[in-house]
Amino acid sequence: EAGVVQSPRYKIIEKKQPVAFWCNPISGHNTLYWYLQNLGQGPELLIRYENEEAVDDSQLPKDRFSAERLKGVDSTLKIQPAELGDSAVYLCASSLEAGTGETQYFGPGTRLLVL
Amino acid sequence: AQSVSQHNHHVILSEAASLELGCNYSYGGTVNLFWYVQYPGQHLQLLLKYFSGDPLVKGIKGFEAEFIKSKFSFNLRKPSVQWSDTAEYFCASTNFGNEKLTFGTGTRLTIIP
Repeated sequence: EAGVVQSPRYKIIEKKQPVAFWCNPISGHNTLYWYLQNLGQGPELLIRYENEEAVDDSQLPKDRFSAERLKGVDSTLKIQPAELGDSAVYLCASSLEAGTGETQYFGPGTRLLVL
Repeated sequence: AQSVSQHNHHVILSEAASLELGCNYSYGGTVNLFWYVQYPGQHLQLLLKYFSGDPLVKGIKGFEAEFIKSKFSFNLRKPSVQWSDTAEYFCASTNFGNEKLTFGTGTRLTIIP
């Protein structure tokens, strides 16, 4: 079974440039998550989708961050414009259903460096 | 807001030593608790989870964790570590009615052959 796929794996951009990350969840998983992981920290949730609906985006900085999951399968997270402080690892995860006991399966992440 | 604390930032052990990594959570109600591991160069993967029932949970690769409600703890244990256990370990929780997974800051485990 294929896991969560993310691309690109690494991205280096200059500040004020836009950047986009792509995630394809495990087949059949309805719930998709985007996390931000700063160096030396645990992942922090940015947004959670149930199918194509964003059901928790309270932690997403909406002035520069946006996300979409138009057909309820793959998803894109965008930053425009990027700032130096956005340098981090962006993780995507998926689970079969929403639920507090559901296991979330993580992708390898996209490591972003903003210069 | 719920929080998860991992007080051991970096643990160094010799092979065959016993391991215990601490995890404390803040939420006083019904919680679900998880341990995730990230091996060098790999993605986060689930070691074990507590949902309900027996507070002693057994996971993959010989790991286990015990949920102690009175201490708000979910410590991870392994009786004899191997070099291949070198990794970063994250404790996480969700609470009843909130699927948001809250992670601790992680513990880096280094096993010396």
